[in-house]
Amino acid sequence: GAVVSQHPSWVICKSGTSVKIECRSLDFQATTMFWYRQFPKQSLMLMATSNEGSKATYEQGVEKDKFLINHASLTLSTLTVTSAHPEDSSFYICSASKEKGREQYFGPGTRLTVT
Amino acid sequence: DQQVKQNSPSLSVQEGRISILNCDYTNSMFDYFLWYKKYPAEGPTFLISISSIKDKNEDGRFTVFLNKSAKHLSLHIVPSQPGDSAVYFCAARSNFGNEKLTFGTGTRLTIIP
Repeated sequence: GAVVSQHPSWVICKSGTSVKIECRSLDFQATTMFWYRQFPKQSLMLMATSNEGSKATYEQGVEKDKFLINHASLTLSTLTVTSAHPEDSSFYICSASKEKGREQYFGPGTRLTVT
Repeated sequence: DQQVKQNSPSLSVQEGRISILNCDYTNSMFDYFLWYKKYPAEGPTFLISISSIKDKNEDGRFTVFLNKSAKHLSLHIVPSQPGDSAVYFCAARSNFGNEKLTFGTGTRLTIIP
C-alpha cells in the first residue's frame, strides 16, 4: 500500500496565530513530499516541494517565511502557517512519492479556517 | 496561465454508459500525464497514468488516450458506475528533473442510476 495521513483533518484558528499541519507516509519512506492548497472549486496548486534533510523548494508567489516547511524524516513533513490571516483559509493537501519519477500519493487534506 | 485545462466543469452520464473526460495542455515539455479522482474533503486518489511514448493505457474500466499532436488526453470509464461520481483531475509532469505536477481545474462527474 501507499498510505499518507495528515493531522489535523480540520483546524480553526484566530488571525495572527500559527498552525502546524503534519503529513506522514505510513507504510513507505517518501523521498519527496509536496504541499498543495486548493481553493473552493479550483485546482490544486503546488506550494512547495520538500526533500528530507534539505530546504524546501517553493513555487513562485508562495511566501517561504509564511509557510514554513520542515521535512525532518523520510516519513514526516510539516507545514506551519505563521501569523495566519483569513485569506489563508483553504484546504491544504500533502502528497508523497516513493521514488523519483513515480506517482504521488495524497493525504486526505486539512481544512484550515482562520477567523 | 492555466497550462492544463479541463473545459467541462461537470458531466452527467447514465449508469452503464461510457464516461469521457477531456483534458488539454499547452506545455509541450509535459511528457507524463495522470488522472486523479477526488471526493469532497479528501485527497486525490491516483487512477491511471500515461507516458508520452504511448497513446493508450488501459486498466480495467479505465482507459486513457493521449494525442500528442493535439496536446489532448481523455479518460474513458466504461461501464460507468454510481461509485464513479467524483471530481476528476488530470495532471501533467515534465521529466526534466522535476516532479512537479500541474493540475487541471477538474471535472465533476455524476453517474445517474
